Amino acid sequence: GQNIDQPTEMTATEGAIVQINCTYQTSGFNGLFWYQQHAGEAPTFLSYNVLDGLEEKGRFSSFLSRSKGYSYLLLKELQMKDSASYLCAVMDSNYQLIWGAGTKLIIKP
Amino acid sequence: GAVVSQHPSWVICKSGTSVKIECRSLDFQATTMFWYRQFPKQSLMLMATSNEGSKATYEQGVEKDKFLINHASLTLSTLTVTSAHPEDSSFYICSAREGGSDYNEQFFGPGTRLTVL
Repeated sequence: GQNIDQPTEMTATEGAIVQINCTYQTSGFNGLFWYQQHAGEAPTFLSYNVLDGLEEKGRFSSFLSRSKGYSYLLLKELQMKDSASYLCAVMDSNYQLIWGAGTKLIIKP
Repeated sequence: GAVVSQHPSWVICKSGTSVKIECRSLDFQATTMFWYRQFPKQSLMLMATSNEGSKATYEQGVEKDKFLINHASLTLSTLTVTSAHPEDSSFYICSAREGGSDYNEQFFGPGTRLTVL
């Protein structure tokens, strides 16, 4: 079956760095997405990786290793507004998005 | 980025009534639209995928006679929850994908919160 695993919840301090991991097993691979979702709102796109390596975009970076079925989202200089759920999703061979359950990130002052 | 709108943002209805939710792509043509449902503290659950002019493809366990999806144009898809019951109360989110994009990103609407009394 297809499976996306990510931690349920993480806590970090304002100004610090946090890494959210995602491992996946899917039928085919057409890229991995990270989305941010604040409570009561729809997800917003953060990043897309289809090749191995690190993609940096401001305070957020995303890494992919296809051979290991592994990705992480790195958030630097954490701000209180970064408190949200972070969703990892993999596009399979049918171009369907397979979603992880999301990681709730709590930022403390 | 591309913009997707949903209407209404929230709706409260009585049990047994039907509710229609609209999803529109405002500045691009959406060849494919997706409907998701999200219960509190859970991830997105794909309900169905619809391609313009075709019948929707429903995920296992989703009743197609209860959740009617129409994708009549490249910018509009509707989800009708028929004979709604309290257990249908949820956050319904649509997303749209533009054909031919480099990586087929899905653009999400803001969601519709449905409460069935």
